[in-house]
Amino acid sequence: DAGITQSPRHKVTETGTPVTLRCHQTENHRYMYWYRQDPGHGLRLIHYSYGVKDTDKGEVSDGYSVSRSKTEDFLLTLESATSSQTSVYFCATSQGRAYNEQFFGPGTRLTVL
Amino acid sequence: AQRVTQPEKLLSVFKGAPVELKCNYSYSGSPELFWYVQYSRQRLQLLLRHISRESIKGFTADLNKGETSFHLKKPFAQEEDSAMYYCALYFGNEKLTFGTGTRLTIIP
Repeated sequence: DAGITQSPRHKVTETGTPVTLRCHQTENHRYMYWYRQDPGHGLRLIHYSYGVKDTDKGEVSDGYSVSRSKTEDFLLTLESATSSQTSVYFCATSQGRAYNEQFFGPGTRLTVL
Repeated sequence: AQRVTQPEKLLSVFKGAPVELKCNYSYSGSPELFWYVQYSRQRLQLLLRHISRESIKGFTADLNKGETSFHLKKPFAQEEDSAMYYCALYFGNEKLTFGTGTRLTIIP
């Protein structure tokens, strides 16, 4: 479990402010993912990365951007937070493509007021 | 469009009774299928994948291509099985598509 950490674990912010969530891994996994978990929607992919500086959009990418400057870190940025982005955010990693086992972080609970 | 459906948001089962969590998918090809589980205060983790055809914690899941289903089954429920269960599919597009999840509660 200690191989994937997320920070912060909890955050309350106001509408319109920028927010950055960090995912850090010590597994040297190539692939990294950001999901959001919402009741009634399950887990939805926001963005993913298949290598340093290589990222692509998921199904709910509007309003989010990501960056990956080194293997171990994957940042998710909400440029201007909205109340609809209140959610629990999970980072995941996998050694290979998405059909390999994904390992999840502990989650970040974000509340946008 | 490719889709994963878990029709039950909540499922309550008595301890010792059989459990079946339903998962249906829409995809014309041959997907890779998974069940992920999130126990209380634990991280989401892989429970099983159809390609390995193994039984984990007494759970099995069989791919039925005719019915496009991948239901998760266990013959005798235990209290520690209470958790959130997600069915997930890989359609070959570098992404896993998750269902909306089923919260399973085992009644003592």
